[in-house]
Amino acid sequence: GAGVSQTPSNKVTEKGKYVELRCDPISGHTALYWYRQSLGQGPEFLIYFQGTGAADDSGLPNDRFFAVRPEGSVSTLKIQRTERGDSAVYLCASSLGTGRIETQYFGPGTRLLVL
Amino acid sequence: QKEVEQNSGPLSVPEGAIASLNCTYSDRGSQSFFWYRQYSGKSPELIMFIYSNGDKEDGRFTAQLNKASQYVSLLIRDSQPSDSATYLCAVGGGADGLTFGKGTHLIIQP
Repeated sequence: GAGVSQTPSNKVTEKGKYVELRCDPISGHTALYWYRQSLGQGPEFLIYFQGTGAADDSGLPNDRFFAVRPEGSVSTLKIQRTERGDSAVYLCASSLGTGRIETQYFGPGTRLLVL
Repeated sequence: QKEVEQNSGPLSVPEGAIASLNCTYSDRGSQSFFWYRQYSGKSPELIMFIYSNGDKEDGRFTAQLNKASQYVSLLIRDSQPSDSATYLCAVGGGADGLTFGKGTHLIIQP
């Protein structure tokens, strides 16, 4: 079946602009995660959704970052007033359930470059 | 602050030999442990998961977990050039998300 998809694959923007990154999880997966991966680092957890509500947004770096999942499927990560330090690969993952033993499957990522 | 430590490498191993990748974690309450492989420019791909102390084998891969020492390892037998990648150790999951190490860059020399 289809895996996790993310759009756009690449995004170049200017400092101060607003961007939206989209994630379409594997069909039937109830849990959705956003991570950010900087060069030479492992992915860093940002936010977790169980269904439509953000169950844990403790990883969001500041209030410029916001994510929604209005119908419990597709999610959008929104970044306001982008800064050069926001440049990274933004990864989305989904899992069938919400337990700690559930395997997370990653999408191809969106490479964000803030000039 | 949960931490996962890995040697960044590069770790160079001859083709056909055993590659040994190691990881330590700080949160003694951690229950789930994952190894992901990441090729350059690609997203992480799950290789193995382990929840119980001891060894778990899957083909050429063996994961080892020692909760008392807070240590996880991945062994790759009969290493192939296609195994050359960055291997990410991840701990946790569920509502807390995964905590990843920085990854170990593995190079298999033909």
